[in-house]
Formats: sequence, structure tokens, C-alpha cells
Amino acid sequence: SAVISQKPSRDICQRGTSLTIQCQVDSQVTMMFWYRQQPGQSLTLIATANQGSEATYESGFVIDKFPISRPNLTFSTLTVSNMSPEDSSIYLCSVGGLTGSYEQYFGPGTRLTVT
Amino acid sequence: DQQVKQNSPSLSVQEGRISILNCDYTNSMFDYFLWYKKYPAEGPTFLISISSIKDKNEDGRFTVFLNKSAKHLSLHIVPSQPGDSAVYFCAASLGGAQKLVFGQGTRLTINP
Repeated sequence: SAVISQKPSRDICQRGTSLTIQCQVDSQVTMMFWYRQQPGQSLTLIATANQGSEATYESGFVIDKFPISRPNLTFSTLTVSNMSPEDSSIYLCSVGGLTGSYEQYFGPGTRLTVT
Repeated sequence: DQQVKQNSPSLSVQEGRISILNCDYTNSMFDYFLWYKKYPAEGPTFLISISSIKDKNEDGRFTVFLNKSAKHLSLHIVPSQPGDSAVYFCAASLGGAQKLVFGQGTRLTINP
């Protein structure tokens, strides 16, 4: 597996502002993903963060709302833009492709509350 | 459209007994299945997985069973321990894209 850290661990933000979440991995990984877990819900994939190219977004998620960067094989950021209370969630990054199988390993998450 | 379903939101089991968590899926193209465990304020931790070409995989106290004809998988934990109390998610993967689709989770409580 890999050691994955996220910053910040939690934040309370005002409506209309933006927050950038950082994900750092202790080794180079081919695949990085961003998920959202809304209160009482399951984990939903937002996008696949591609190194050196634009992220691949899932249905219902758009780049203008959730811009993602991946400048190298150990780091990625997710920005939640123009926030509303509906964006209050836990945001998690994960990494995959470590062992040649389909396991993904998750960071500790960022708990975002929008007021 | 919920492609992966965990119909039991909670399960309570006595310490030392077997815990059985269930998961159903609808998409026959899923080719890999995983179970994760999540404690509050932490990210999900990978537990065990199974390829669609197998029907059983065992790792210590954890065994996953896959019934492809029924589109059903289950996680058996035996014996159950207090530290097993957590929310358990099943997840399914569609091929090389490695995108995971998660169920809603089952909260397992192990009682002493």
C-alpha cells in the first residue's frame, strides 16, 4: 500500500468561496482518484486525476465546479468552487495500480462544511 | 441507479460469533469486487477482494464469497472481535478503468 495524506483534514467555509484540497502520496503512483461522501451516503467517484493531462470526470461532475490538478505522480489537488451547503461532504483521494490489481487505497479524507 | 446495494444498514453480532455482510450488484460487467472497512474520521481501509473468475477468497478471519449467477457477494468475519465494529462498504470495479462503484455501507457492531 502507500501512505496518503490530505490537507486540510477539515474546514468550515462560507457559501460562494472556494477550497483547495491537497493529496500527497509517499511514492509514485499511476492512478489517483477523487471521491465524495455526502452525509449518510456512499462514496461517489468525482474524477480520475491524470498526470500531465486534464482529469476525467464522472457523470454529474464538471471541471468548472471541481477543477483538479496533478502536476506529478505523487501529488494532486481538488478545488471545490463557488461552494454551497450541498457541497458539505467528506472528500477523499485514493490511489490505485500499486500491485497490478484493482485495489485502491484511500487518504484520511477532508471534512468540508459549507455555511 | 444503484448498481451496488447493501440492503442492511446495520448489523449487530456478539463477540466470537460469525458476522456476515451482504452485497448485491446489478451490472454483470463488474469483474472485481472489494470490501472496505471505515472508522469514523478515517478513510476507508482495504480489507479483501475477489476476482469475478473466483467464488471464494480467504484472508485470515475474513472470507469473501461471490455468487455470480445471483449477482451477490458476502463477507464473513469469524470470529468477530470488538475492533471489527465499523462501517463496511462493498465496491465493484469495471475493468481496466479501475473506477470503483460503492454500496451504501453496513454498520457492524460487535457486542461483548
